[in-house]
Amino acid sequence: NAGVTQTPKFRVLKTGQSMTLLCAQDMNHEYMYWYRQDPGMGLRLIHYSVGEGTTAKGEVPDGYNVSRLKKQNFLLGLESAAPSQTSVYFCASSYMYNEQFFGPGTRLTVL
Amino acid sequence: RKEVEQDPGPFNVPEGATVAFNCTYSNSASQSFFWYRQDCRKEPKLLMSVYSSGNEDGRFTAQLNRASQYISLLIRDSKLSDSATYLCVPLDYGGSQGNLIFGKGTKLSVKP
Repeated sequence: NAGVTQTPKFRVLKTGQSMTLLCAQDMNHEYMYWYRQDPGMGLRLIHYSVGEGTTAKGEVPDGYNVSRLKKQNFLLGLESAAPSQTSVYFCASSYMYNEQFFGPGTRLTVL
Repeated sequence: RKEVEQDPGPFNVPEGATVAFNCTYSNSASQSFFWYRQDCRKEPKLLMSVYSSGNEDGRFTAQLNRASQYISLLIRDSKLSDSATYLCVPLDYGGSQGNLIFGKGTKLSVKP
């Protein structure tokens, strides 16, 4: 099993550009999450999903949108990237509200 | 925001040493607790869950004190590969949702 995978691993955007980060899991987990981690900081929850077709806001949702069209995939979109969105983005999944398993992360730089 | 507090370190210890990390959490309603480790520029990885009765996994022992809202992690016989940041992570329930609360963690550096 691959666990949780993320695409792409690295990306550089210019201010105002858009992009989508893809997260996929093969553990048949219902719950999936998107976090961001800034240097020297803890993880902050952006959005999460408790099942196919459902999403909810986390702690820092502004500037991001998400979709969960398939149980195994959770997409994070940036419609108009800003330098403040430069960060490392981690996706995670879990069996209900329990320990979470993380993907390797996407390093995003917005110039 | 619900918070978790840990000494950021760094804890610099020689190989073979025993080291202990402590953590306090603010939400008395937290039901589940975990220790994760995070290597530099990598994803957090689950180290162990923390049970009310305390639990041990090899060289690692976790303890929970609900009355004091305090969690600990003890690492015996430290290895170079134990160098990482250790995250104490409570699972907070609010209404119908439960989310893991991540702090900045405690940095451990094991030296030869």
